[in-house]
Order: sequence, then C-alpha cells, then structure tokens
Amino acid sequence: EDQVTQSPEALRLQEGESSSLNCSYTVSGLRGLFWYRQDPGKGPEFLFTLYSAGEEKEKERLKATLTKKESFLHITAPKPEDSATYLCAVSDNNNDMRFGAGTRLTVKP
Amino acid sequence: ETGVTQSPTHLIKTRGQQVTLRCSSQSGHNTVSWYQQALGQGPQFIFQYYREEENGRGNFPPRFSGLQFPNYSSELNVNALELDDSALYLCASSGVRRETQYFGPGTRLLVL
Repeated sequence: EDQVTQSPEALRLQEGESSSLNCSYTVSGLRGLFWYRQDPGKGPEFLFTLYSAGEEKEKERLKATLTKKESFLHITAPKPEDSATYLCAVSDNNNDMRFGAGTRLTVKP
Repeated sequence: ETGVTQSPTHLIKTRGQQVTLRCSSQSGHNTVSWYQQALGQGPQFIFQYYREEENGRGNFPPRFSGLQFPNYSSELNVNALELDDSALYLCASSGVRRETQYFGPGTRLLVL
C-alpha cells in the first residue's frame, strides 16, 4: 500500500531563516509527487509536480527536489506570508492519490 | 478561466440523513476527484471520475457515491450519514496531465 510520511509535523521559523520540509514515500509505480500549500479552512493550492528522481522545480522562495525515496521542499528566506500547511502527495498507476498529514509552518516576523 | 467551485460552503446534517455536494471543474478539465479531509489530517481519496465514468476509488464504503455530468461537473452523495463523516470535502479537477489536480475551496460538513 502506498505510504507518505511528512516531517516535521510542525515547524516554527524566524523570518529569513531557511529550512527544509521532508516527504518520505513508498509507492508502486510513481506517476508523480506533488506539493500543495493549504491555508486554514481553504482547499490545497498546487505548487509543484515532480516525476522522476533528480528532478527539481522552483517557485519564488520554494524549491522542490525528488529522490527515489523522498522529496524535500526547501524554503529560502521565508516571510510570514509563507505560513501555511504544506502537503505532499503521490499518485500511482491506479489513479490513487495518497497525501501525507502535512507540515504546519509558522514564520514569525 | 474559472477555477474549481464547490457548493454549498457549509452544511449541517443529522445522523442517518443523506447529503449531496456539488463541484464545477476548472474550464477545460474532464477529470474530477473527491477527497475527505478530517481536521489536522491530509486529504483522503474517495474516487475519481473521467468522462462520466468512475476511474478509481479509495477505501470508502458504497454509501459514498458520485456522478459526473456531460459538462464535467460532479456530485458526491453520502447516504446514512455518520458522525465520523464530519469533515471538509474537497473536489479537484485535472486536464491533459490528469495526475496534476487543482482543488476547490471545499464544503465543510458537520453531522450531529
């Protein structure tokens, strides 16, 4: 069965303090690994799709990387508006999308 | 281009009742997926519809059912509501790259 584990559960950073979020996964036939941002009471907002080990994607202060067993979301010089829950998900050959529980990020000014 | 919309935004039902939630997919998208998200958890996959046919299902009982219409909008129906069905229900649509999904704002369901 596909599994996605995110760590840490919660992360508190000072504004400008760079860090990384981890997503470990096991999946039979990876079709894609996804990162989403979710603000309280709202639907997840799409950030990145990664398809194969070694792939990297960037958007503003965020950079996502992928290996055969895990993905990292690097946050460089975060701002308070980056505070949110970051969700990782994997899709397999059965069209099943499995999400992790998320990392709740708080960035203090 | 309009995004994914869902209705209603909030709903309160009592145990044993039935509920229908609605979703309009993003323009140009022909695949719709439904998820249940409990408080503090990641979304759990319920099922997916592609061109009006069910195209994958998660570990949810048959009282969770759905429909997709010719305009690619969709409904999620839940019969015999239980207290544990209280959650945020999310709809997501996708287009040519079916694995990349775009989510709506969700419907918050409370079962008393």
